[in-house]
Formats: sequence, structure tokens, C-alpha cells
Amino acid sequence: QQQVKQSPQSLIVQKGGISIINCAYENTAFDYFPWYQQFPGKGPALLIAIRPDVSEKKEGRFTISFNKSAKQFSLHIMDSQPGDSATYFCAAFNQAGTALIFGKGTTLSVSS
Amino acid sequence: DARVTQTPRHKVTEMGQEVTMRCQPILGHNTVFWYRQTMMQGLELLAYFRNRAPLDDSGMPKDRFSAEMPDATLATLKIQPSEPRDSAVYFCASGPQPSYSNQPQHFGDGTRLSIL
Repeated sequence: QQQVKQSPQSLIVQKGGISIINCAYENTAFDYFPWYQQFPGKGPALLIAIRPDVSEKKEGRFTISFNKSAKQFSLHIMDSQPGDSATYFCAAFNQAGTALIFGKGTTLSVSS
Repeated sequence: DARVTQTPRHKVTEMGQEVTMRCQPILGHNTVFWYRQTMMQGLELLAYFRNRAPLDDSGMPKDRFSAEMPDATLATLKIQPSEPRDSAVYFCASGPQPSYSNQPQHFGDGTRLSIL
């Protein structure tokens, strides 16, 4: 119940295309859903996050779509750029819990 | 710019040796986390502290791993004796509690550990 399932494991997108990464969870107590971006040799860094009281959050080219009834959320990267090539992790957290639960990660490659 | 600092960045040692990894959390953060990252398992939570007290270390192999916070500016993760399967990147993260909303966990750049 504490798992967050992330797909796909890897993704190749052409420059200018849309990258979509999906995550699903079981624990309905989760109330915060961040996405982290990790470049090689660096630690994960917060990219964007959403609370379950909204269905969508957009920051620049990055959008989280959240479906509470399906217990799914996804990251959309519009106009994908080579600089977006990184590993992306979804995560889930609840105030009464201990720490962020991470998905296994998606390696995104944006080809120029 | 406040950062979580981890040392060493790289460590190569032989099986059986003691390994100590250090973390300086961001000043004012009262929660500290240790994660291990491998290709197979992704990011695994090993332990976390709140106000220097260990709250959860269930992800840590107790027989060989130990985590401590001697003071608010230093967290340590020790492996003794080390084994080849411990080879991974170990991340420290810190944050205020509760760690969500506009104040997420901040990660260091990790210690890449190789046990030969």
C-alpha cells in the first residue's frame, strides 16, 4: 500500500514533443505528490508538486494532472528540450507518514 | 543558496572495511533523511531523523548499518563491515517538518560508494 508505481521506465521523445510519465498509488492517505528531476551526478531536485484538492497544476512547460478517483497522477512536459533529458521520479507523502515514497524513476531522453 | 553537503563524493574501498558517510543538512532544517539509490531498487529510504532523534530506520540492515546525528549540523551513516552489495549512491536530504507544500526535501549530491 505504500508503493508508488511509475511508468514507463524509459522514454525517448523528439525535441518539441510531449513527454508523459505516469504514476499510480494505493494509499488514499497520501496528500502531497511531488515530482523530482535528477541529472547524472546530482541529487534529485523538486520540479513541481500537487495536492489532491486540485486536478491540474502547471508551471511553465511542466504540468501535473491528478485523478483522485483513479489514484493516478502524471507529469507532462510540453515542447520537450534536450536539456530536459534526466531521470524523473514521482513521489507521494502524507502528513501523518514518515517520508516521501518514491517511484522507481523514468529516464527521459530528448533527441535533437 | 542553501545546500545539503555530503562527503565524500566518491568512496572506493575493499570488502570488510568500515565506511563513514557524512552529511551537513541545511541550517534550520530539523528532519534529515538517508536514501540509497541503485539501478534495481531506485531510491530507498534507509533512515530518517527529526530533531536529531531517529524516527525510522526500518529500511536499514541493522547488523551492519548505523545512522547518527551527533549534532544538528552533522549526520553520519556508517557501514561496518562493508560488502559489495552495499555499492550504491547514498543521498542525504534535509527539510523542515512537515516536509511538503512549498518546503520539500532538499537533496545533497550523494556519495558514490564502490565496495570491491
